[in-house]
Amino acid sequence: EVQLVQSGGVVVQPGGSLRLSCTASGFIFDDYAMHWVRQAPGKGLEWVSVVNWDGGTASYSDSVKGRFTISRDNSKNSLYLQMNSLTSEDTALYYCARDSYSSTLFIDSWGEGTRVTVSS
Amino acid sequence: QSALTQPPSVSGSPGQSVTISCTGTSSDVGSYSRVSWYQQPPGTVPKLIIYEVTHRPSGVPDRFSGSRSGNTASLTISGLQAEDEADYYCSSYTTSGTWVFGGGTKLTVL
Repeated sequence: EVQLVQSGGVVVQPGGSLRLSCTASGFIFDDYAMHWVRQAPGKGLEWVSVVNWDGGTASYSDSVKGRFTISRDNSKNSLYLQMNSLTSEDTALYYCARDSYSSTLFIDSWGEGTRVTVSS
Repeated sequence: QSALTQPPSVSGSPGQSVTISCTGTSSDVGSYSRVSWYQQPPGTVPKLIIYEVTHRPSGVPDRFSGSRSGNTASLTISGLQAEDEADYYCSSYTTSGTWVFGGGTKLTVL
């Protein structure tokens, strides 16, 4: 069974930084690309970033490009999202999600989410 | 990276069929077969129900079907059941190497 266990919720001040983590189990982690998707309170899903199986290729949404960095450590079965220069618009539930393929094809599994609140 | 366009809400009675549209551009929905649909009941994690435009994962009832015409993908749910009440999202890969979701559609079963 695919399991994606995410770090706990956090409150951070505007302009601050944060690193989210996601630990995978139940599958061969380095066979799959991984995504971050977020959902602001009461809003829809917004794709954030994807990284391929070996971490060599990543892409980002325009809303986070230059501020967020996705990375992975296949030796630890872990995915990360470094978030800098946070604003209130980054307040959301952040989902770690597995792609169905080593580069990208579609998201087939989701973690439970990490609540990020940007507030002073 | 504009969001794909979905109707905010649709509704239907049990046993009826509903169709949810997802309109993009030639840079996303119209370019690739990497169009998928997700179901998200209130307070839950999204669940994949359609991938690569028309394919259903194992365990998803055949009441759910997907199609595409040009830059518009569609999800049809036939034989509506109360348990189908949820938010539905489409997503597509883009020519920029990114992904984009639709704004979501709330399905109400009357």
